[in-house]
Amino acid sequence: DAGVIQSPRHEVTEMGQEVTLRCKPISGHNSLFWYRQTMMRGLELLIYFNNNVPIDDSGMPEDRFSAKMPNASFSTLKIQPSEPRDSAVYFCASTLRGQETQYFGPGTRLLVL
Amino acid sequence: GENVEQHPSTLSVQEGDSAVIKCTYSDSASNYFPWYKQELGKRPQLIIDIRSNVGEKKDQRIAVTLNKTAKHFSLHITETQPEDSAVYFCSSSGSARQLTFGSGTQLTVLP
Repeated sequence: DAGVIQSPRHEVTEMGQEVTLRCKPISGHNSLFWYRQTMMRGLELLIYFNNNVPIDDSGMPEDRFSAKMPNASFSTLKIQPSEPRDSAVYFCASTLRGQETQYFGPGTRLLVL
Repeated sequence: GENVEQHPSTLSVQEGDSAVIKCTYSDSASNYFPWYKQELGKRPQLIIDIRSNVGEKKDQRIAVTLNKTAKHFSLHITETQPEDSAVYFCSSSGSARQLTFGSGTQLTVLP
């Protein structure tokens, strides 16, 4: 099993640019979570999907952030336009149906200049 | 919503000593409490978890205790080794299966 896959692993961009982060959950997992990690705020849940449907997006900071899950094996988190304060590590995690253990991907380290 | 508080934020112990990290939660409906270890530059990884129907669970040098009445749970690491140095996160999950994380504890095991 390849585990949760995220791409890119590192992203450096300039303020105002669009950023798209990608996640492939573990095959067979039906829930997917996007987190943001910073020193100041720790691990924050941004949004999670159940069976490809967004369930709770109350953690999404503002309208500049959007997330989609077009199918069971792919999700994107988009920031448009990006700002320096968006610099963080973004993790994706997935869980198996009926289970609660979340498996994290390796993360995307985003730096917005 | 759920609020999880974790203490201490940093902890240094001598190799071979024990380490204890404590967390409290606010939502009485929470019933699942996993602990994650995150090494520098790596992803959080589950090391042990406990459900609300048990008071203690042990896995080799790691144990977790839960007091539902007081709404607190703790991680105990015995015979600490340098490779235990990492950031440890407690978390709790209620019926929505969302995890709320504590702020993390930086554990340093001194050789």
